[in-house]
Amino acid sequence: DAGVIQSPRHEVTEMGQEVTLRCKPISGHDYLFWYRQTMMRGLELLIYFNNNVPIDDSGMPEDRFSAKMPNASFSTLKIQPSEPRDSAVYFCASSPVAGGLSYNEQFFGPGTRLTVL
Amino acid sequence: RKEVEQDPGPFNVPEGATVAFNCTYSNSASQSFFWYRQDCRKEPKLLMSVYSSGNEDGRFTAQLNRASQYISLLIRDSKLSDSATYLCVVNRDDKIIFGKGTRLHILP
Repeated sequence: DAGVIQSPRHEVTEMGQEVTLRCKPISGHDYLFWYRQTMMRGLELLIYFNNNVPIDDSGMPEDRFSAKMPNASFSTLKIQPSEPRDSAVYFCASSPVAGGLSYNEQFFGPGTRLTVL
Repeated sequence: RKEVEQDPGPFNVPEGATVAFNCTYSNSASQSFFWYRQDCRKEPKLLMSVYSSGNEDGRFTAQLNRASQYISLLIRDSKLSDSATYLCVVNRDDKIIFGKGTRLHILP
């Protein structure tokens, strides 16, 4: 069974450009998470969805960031306009619903390494 | 004070030794706890959950101390393949918080 799929794996862009990161969760998982990881700040939860509905977006750094989940098998994280400080590894993760969010394993995708010049 | 704190390390440990590290959390209402492992330039993967009574999985033992608000991970008979960053995760009210991780280097 395929795990969480993310694309692209690497993205290099120039400041001011729009960046779109994509994620396909594991089939049957009801939760989807977007994280950002940097050396300075570690792994930060940006937003998560339950059944395609955004539940907590308090980690989204600012209005330049937006996330959507149009269906159960696809989500995007968009940065517009991008800035050099957005350079990081962005992970998508999914989790099953059984037992509740707090008690379930999260399955991470391989990440997208974003560099904004 | 950060909600979840870990010693960043690195812990440099000879192969075969026992190593332990802790993760402290500030909110006493925290409900569930996990240890994840992250290899260099890879994604985090669940290592083990942490149960109230403590739990063991092979060479790995996890413990929870609610009174002092920390969890611990002990690795016995360490292997070169244990070299990684170990992230603790603390959950409460569906709020998920990762520690920044402890780097472990097992030396041959």
